[in-house]
Amino acid sequence: NAGVIQTPRHKVTGKGQEATLWCEPISGHSAVFWYRQTIVQGLEFLTYFRNQAPIDDSGMPKERFSAQMPNQSHSTLKIQSTQPQDSAVYLCASSLVCSQNTLYFGAGTRLSVL
Amino acid sequence: GDSVTQTEGLVTVTEGLPVKLNCTYQTTYLTIAFFWYVQYLNEAPQVLLRSSTDNKRTEHQGFHATLHKSSSSFHLQKSSAQLSDSALYYCALSGPPSNTGYQNFYFGKGTSLTVIP
Repeated sequence: NAGVIQTPRHKVTGKGQEATLWCEPISGHSAVFWYRQTIVQGLEFLTYFRNQAPIDDSGMPKERFSAQMPNQSHSTLKIQSTQPQDSAVYLCASSLVCSQNTLYFGAGTRLSVL
Repeated sequence: GDSVTQTEGLVTVTEGLPVKLNCTYQTTYLTIAFFWYVQYLNEAPQVLLRSSTDNKRTEHQGFHATLHKSSSSFHLQKSSAQLSDSALYYCALSGPPSNTGYQNFYFGKGTSLTVIP
């Protein structure tokens, strides 16, 4: 079990460019979460998929952020027209869908927008 | 609404001394699970402790925590801090799954623990 895999580990973009972040959840986990981590805000919920279907994207900035899960083995988070305030660590997590189960996180992608 | 509060953003403790990281919560859920996650530098957050039983002590890797519903708390403690304990610690609450299986997780803002020699 390799755990949740996120690529790339670091990404540097210029202001206004697009960034795509990838996540491979643990095999067999049907719940996938995306979080944004900053020193000031801690862990901010972005979006949640269950069995590849988007269930809750209430944490997503609507205009520039989008997430997809085209198959059970990967999810992507896309940020269009990146801004300096998007700089953060983006964490993906997966879990089994059952009562109050543990979230397993990836190591994250550190996005730096210059 | 539901929330988790970690009152200290930064905690510094001397090696060998006890450490306590505070975690309190507000929730409307009757059935809850609590977690402590630890995140070492440049690594993934990983679960350290999990509990859903009131007044039962949970231990792992020298750390312990007891869920006290009467005081809405789930403080993390260790009797003797080690240099390797330096990390970011998150307290989290999970409510019961909805009909669609959706689980709400609520995280505190984290406490950065530094253990000094």
